[in-house]
This record gives sequence, C-alpha cells and structure tokens, in this order.
Amino acid sequence: DTAVSQTPKYLVTQMGNDKSIKCEQNLGHDTMYWYKQDSKKFLKIMFSYNNKELIINETVPNRFSPKSPDKAHLNLHINSLELGDSAVYFCASSQVLGQGASGNTIYFGEGSWLTVV
Amino acid sequence: AQTVTQSQPEMSVQEAETVTLSCTYDTSESNYYLFWYKQPPSRQMILVIRQEAYKQQNATENRFSVNFQKAAKSFSLKISDSQLGDTAMYFCAFMKPRAQKLVFGQGTRLTINP
Repeated sequence: DTAVSQTPKYLVTQMGNDKSIKCEQNLGHDTMYWYKQDSKKFLKIMFSYNNKELIINETVPNRFSPKSPDKAHLNLHINSLELGDSAVYFCASSQVLGQGASGNTIYFGEGSWLTVV
Repeated sequence: AQTVTQSQPEMSVQEAETVTLSCTYDTSESNYYLFWYKQPPSRQMILVIRQEAYKQQNATENRFSVNFQKAAKSFSLKISDSQLGDTAMYFCAFMKPRAQKLVFGQGTRLTINP
C-alpha cells in the first residue's frame, strides 16, 4: 500500500563501487524526483522527471544517472562512489493539478540511507 | 533564487504545550506555495500542512496551523496540545508554481518532553 517505495532502505558499500536505488510510486503521478539529504539534514533536489523525460538536473555530478523506464519508476544509479556521496536519498512524486498547493504537493518515500566506507 | 530560513535549530517543550516554529523566505514571486514537512526518527518525510500565497486565510490541519504573513515573508507553524509523537525534524519548504521543485529550510529539531 506504500505510495512511494524505494529499495534498498540501507546500503553500505565501499568507495569506487557502483550501486543503484530503485523507486516506484503507485499514486498515478506524472512527475518523480530524487532528493538528497546530507549529514546536516539539508535537503536538496537532484533530479526530476515528468513522464519519463528529464526536467531538472541540479548540477549533480555525472556519476549520478537517473533512469525512468516508465512514469511509475525512477531509479538512481551511482558510479564510482565517493565518501561524500554518503547521505539519505529520497524518491518523491507529484501530480501537477492546476493551481493550488494540494495539486502540487510532493510526496516522499521513506529514504535510502547510503553509507560509503 | 528563492531561499528559506529556519532560525531555530532546536526547540524543546513539555507535552500538551503549544509551540511555534518560525520560517522566513525570500522571493520576488507573487504566487507560490508553502509547506511544512515533518521528519520523525524513522526518516520518513511527512506532509504536515500547506498554504497557497494567494489565500489570505491561514491553513489549519487539526492541531497544526500556520501564521502566514505574506508581506513579511513569514510562514510559522503552530502545534497545539503537543504530543510525544510530534517529536521530529520540521522542514519549511517553498515552491514556485509549475517549477515542481521544493526549496527547503535547514530544519528545526523539535523535542516534546513527557
């Protein structure tokens, strides 16, 4: 029943490895996102996709590659992991329904806690 | 670029008390949306309340209400009759219409003591 689900929830890996985080939403939304929360709890958008098309790329290193096979899925692949990539990565989704905050609300998954050692 | 500032890194109150978390933002837009999200220790980001800038009436959701002062660019969250389950990080966030991007404040860690 989870609206936005992402896996894995916890991931510990060594520097230099490649890893992926998967995300699925069952809300029927057209837009999906990846946000990063750093060690100081600061949240910032990384990417957004609308109907499988990249809309926002916030100067994220090209080691990070999002892939959206369909509008219900947005996966994040990270190459050559670095210590600074350690963070919580949140997948999210929304549906733009005209004006109003309720129609533009972004709903978040539970987060994936990545630790690079 | 829009910025959001939460000037209280941490707050602590007794159960059943009322607490107000402050948030200010900077924008040149006339229409926008504002949100408060809660992040309990489980890390889940949970929507608490939302407000459209073109609405003068302050949003309320049960024990949660906002004081939206558009001219002052202030959007504070009031939690009445606080409960232990309200213990969490609270984030204020700003969104321009059609931008589909949330800009977050630094967060306020709220602890409700028994």
